[in-house]
Amino acid sequence: DAGVIQSPRHEVTEMGQEVTLRCKPISGHNSLFWYRQTMMRGLELLIYFNNNVPIDDSGMPEDRFSAKMPNASFSTLKIQPSEPRDSAVYFCASSSTGGGDTQYFGPGTRLTVL
Amino acid sequence: AQSVTQLGSHVSVSEGALVLLRCNYSSSVPPYLFWYVQYPNQGLQLLLKYTSAATLVKGINGFEAEFKKSETSFHLTKPSAHMSDAAEYFCAVSESQQAGTALIFGKGTTLSVSS
Repeated sequence: DAGVIQSPRHEVTEMGQEVTLRCKPISGHNSLFWYRQTMMRGLELLIYFNNNVPIDDSGMPEDRFSAKMPNASFSTLKIQPSEPRDSAVYFCASSSTGGGDTQYFGPGTRLTVL
Repeated sequence: AQSVTQLGSHVSVSEGALVLLRCNYSSSVPPYLFWYVQYPNQGLQLLLKYTSAATLVKGINGFEAEFKKSETSFHLTKPSAHMSDAAEYFCAVSESQQAGTALIFGKGTTLSVSS
């Protein structure tokens, strides 16, 4: 199995630009999670989906952030417009049943907003 | 609400020494507990998982953790540290395996191993 795939691995952009992060979960998994990791705040859950439906987006910091999961094999996290404080590593994870099942993490996308 | 507290943001040990990383949780119901490891520039990888079977859980790379309900703890140990164990370690908790419940992660503990 290829594991969770994220792209791009690194993204450098300027303030105000739109950023789209992509995730392909493990085949057969029906839950998908987006996390953000920073030195100051640690690992934060942004949003998660079960069977392509958003379950809890209370961690999304503000309206500039949006996430979609159009099908079982693809999800996007979009930031528009981006700000320097959005600089972080963004992780996608998937699991087979959601809830307390083991989550498998992707390698992350390191975002730098100048 | 659930929470996870990892005592000590940074732990330093010598190669061959005992590793002890502390984790305490708060949960109103019997929890599911996890330890993940993150190596530099990588995603998180599952070390071990407690799901109400045996209280002593063995994981990969020689790590193990013991669930102690009376102490609400799930500390991670390894008898003899290797240089390759240097990484960041995260404890996480969930109250349920049912859909609609996410994991809550602690803030992490960075383990340094010196020769």
